[in-house]
Amino acid sequence: EAGVAQSPRYKIIEKRQSVAFWCNPISGHATLYWYQQILGQGPKLLIQFQNNGVVDDSQLPKDRFSAERLKGVDSTLKIQPAKLEDSAVYLCASSFEGGLAGGTQYFGPGTRLLVL
Amino acid sequence: EDKVVQSPLSLVVHEGDTVTLNCSYEVTNFRSLLWYKQEKKAPTFLFMLTSSGIEKKSGRLSSILDKKELFSILNITATQTGDSAIYLCAVEQNAGNNRKLIWGLGTSLAVNP
Repeated sequence: EAGVAQSPRYKIIEKRQSVAFWCNPISGHATLYWYQQILGQGPKLLIQFQNNGVVDDSQLPKDRFSAERLKGVDSTLKIQPAKLEDSAVYLCASSFEGGLAGGTQYFGPGTRLLVL
Repeated sequence: EDKVVQSPLSLVVHEGDTVTLNCSYEVTNFRSLLWYKQEKKAPTFLFMLTSSGIEKKSGRLSSILDKKELFSILNITATQTGDSAIYLCAVEQNAGNNRKLIWGLGTSLAVNP
């Protein structure tokens, strides 16, 4: 079974520039999550999709962050414009809702963003 | 406020030692508790615990949940250098029609040869 795919793996940009990340979840997983993980901290949920609908975006800084999952499969997360404090690892995870596995989330390799 | 607290924050041991990592929580509408291992990449799933007193085991790793005292422990026996990682605890919360993970800050484990 292929895992969660993310690209790019690394990105360096200057502040005020824009950046986009891509995620393809595990096949058949209806729920997709974007997390921000700052060094030394646990992951912070930015947005959660169930199929192509948003179920939780309460911690997404909507003035600069946006995300979409138009066809209910892959997703993009955009930051526009980036700030220095956005430097972090952006993790995508997916889960299959149902069965014993329940909401167990499987993570992609992450995108490490550095804003200069 | 819902919270998950892990201890210790960091730990240094020698190969062959046994370690116990702690996770305590105060979370409403508890559904499950999960342990993840994070090396240089993204977290990888270890265990999901839903019932008190039932030990989950995978090789040298084991974990148990106490829903009365609101904590879980993760044990690693005969540690190896490859066990060096951050171990994250997360509690899954039922939130209406949604489920939400509340994460601890993790325990950074270093196993020296």
